[in-house]
Amino acid sequence: DGGITQSPKYLFRKEGQNVTLSCEQNLNHDAMYWYRQDPGQGLRLIYYSQIVNDFQKGDIAEGYSVSREKKESFPLTVTSAQKNPTAFYLCASKGLTGPQETQYFGPGTRLLVL
Amino acid sequence: SQQGEEDPQALSIQEGENATMNCSYKTSINNLQWYRQNSGRGLVHLILIRSNEREKHSGRLRVTLDTSKKSSSLLITASRAADTASYFCATDGEYGNKLVFGAGTILRVKS
Repeated sequence: DGGITQSPKYLFRKEGQNVTLSCEQNLNHDAMYWYRQDPGQGLRLIYYSQIVNDFQKGDIAEGYSVSREKKESFPLTVTSAQKNPTAFYLCASKGLTGPQETQYFGPGTRLLVL
Repeated sequence: SQQGEEDPQALSIQEGENATMNCSYKTSINNLQWYRQNSGRGLVHLILIRSNEREKHSGRLRVTLDTSKKSSSLLITASRAADTASYFCATDGEYGNKLVFGAGTILRVKS
């Protein structure tokens, strides 16, 4: 998991509430990604960002929002519009030099609905 | 949309045996990667194979790629209990700026 931190490890959301998941990296990577993982399934891309102040929707962006104000940080907000938010959320980053194609993952945040 | 699909969905073997997992994908790729995930943790990169490569080794791992069949296999030799995890293949998208993951193979190595 080195170099990427996610917090909190567990997060509980009440109905109608927005919650924000934190992702920070100290790898000096330009690109950052948010994935959602449901039980027994692979990862689905929510949003990604290749440069500060710019981001693109992934395959399942509805009900989520992101910001990229700093290179090190890529927070994900799960809005009340996301009706089925219970999942494991993974953040990843990737550099544009060296092993360019490899993504480095954080430890994940498990979001549960109360 | 998920491009890679792993087979089998689950695999249970004895320690010391070899484990083979397969991945199929649908479109042209620049490279294919394999990742490992321990239960409840993030993914760890294992190995990358480029579209012009047919086989690659890393320690006890051997990956093959057949672009004509749009498939790849991951072989773990002399498995250990610590190899118990989920294994995912991932392919780069049309512009190489994002990865598409398969559903994964759950490997259980019994000691």
